[in-house]
Amino acid sequence: AQKVTQAQTEISVVEKEDVTLDCVYETRDTTYYLFWYKQPPSGELVFLIRRNSFDEQNEISGRYSWNFQKSTSSFNFTITASQVVDSAVYFCALSQAWGAQKLVFGQGTRLTINP
Amino acid sequence: EADIYQTPRYLVIGTGKKITLECSQTMGHDKMYWYQQDPGMELHLIHYSYGVNSTEKGDLSSESTVSRIRTEHFPLTLESARPSHTSQYLCASSGGQGNQPQHFGDGTRLSIL
Repeated sequence: AQKVTQAQTEISVVEKEDVTLDCVYETRDTTYYLFWYKQPPSGELVFLIRRNSFDEQNEISGRYSWNFQKSTSSFNFTITASQVVDSAVYFCALSQAWGAQKLVFGQGTRLTINP
Repeated sequence: EADIYQTPRYLVIGTGKKITLECSQTMGHDKMYWYQQDPGMELHLIHYSYGVNSTEKGDLSSESTVSRIRTEHFPLTLESARPSHTSQYLCASSGGQGNQPQHFGDGTRLSIL
């Protein structure tokens, strides 16, 4: 069975601070995909990144960066120089590489950036 | 970018009513999904579809039903709404090769009185 754990339920920082959101996953598959989604207060889910299990390169996109470590089954997300607009709930998710490719979500981390 | 639309955005309705939540996508995606999310909680898959005339139950048991008569349309129906059905329902779609990301609609916030 697949499982995603986001141990940090809520994080609150002051604007311009760096913040890291943790994600740990469990799967028996050798090939799988990992995702991060953002859910602002309006409720929709916004896709941020997809990573397959064979690609352990870290990725940077502007102020966002992701650290994938297969050895520790972690896929952490860092926001550098946080801004108030980054306030949202962030979900890490895992899917199989075959079949329906259903997403298994973590519990989410509510991030609040204070001015 | 995927275009996926859900209606209504909000619905408050009494117990016992029949409800249909609409979901349509314009990208020709073969796979579509319905997730249920209680406030502040994780999303749980309740239904999915590989394509036309294909529907499967998800990991979370749900009293709702779905249909997929057209590629672009994946409605969810509750025959007799109950207060326990109060939740947010999110529709998603994906297509193409190599496990493309699911793109989500804005969701329907359903309240059963």
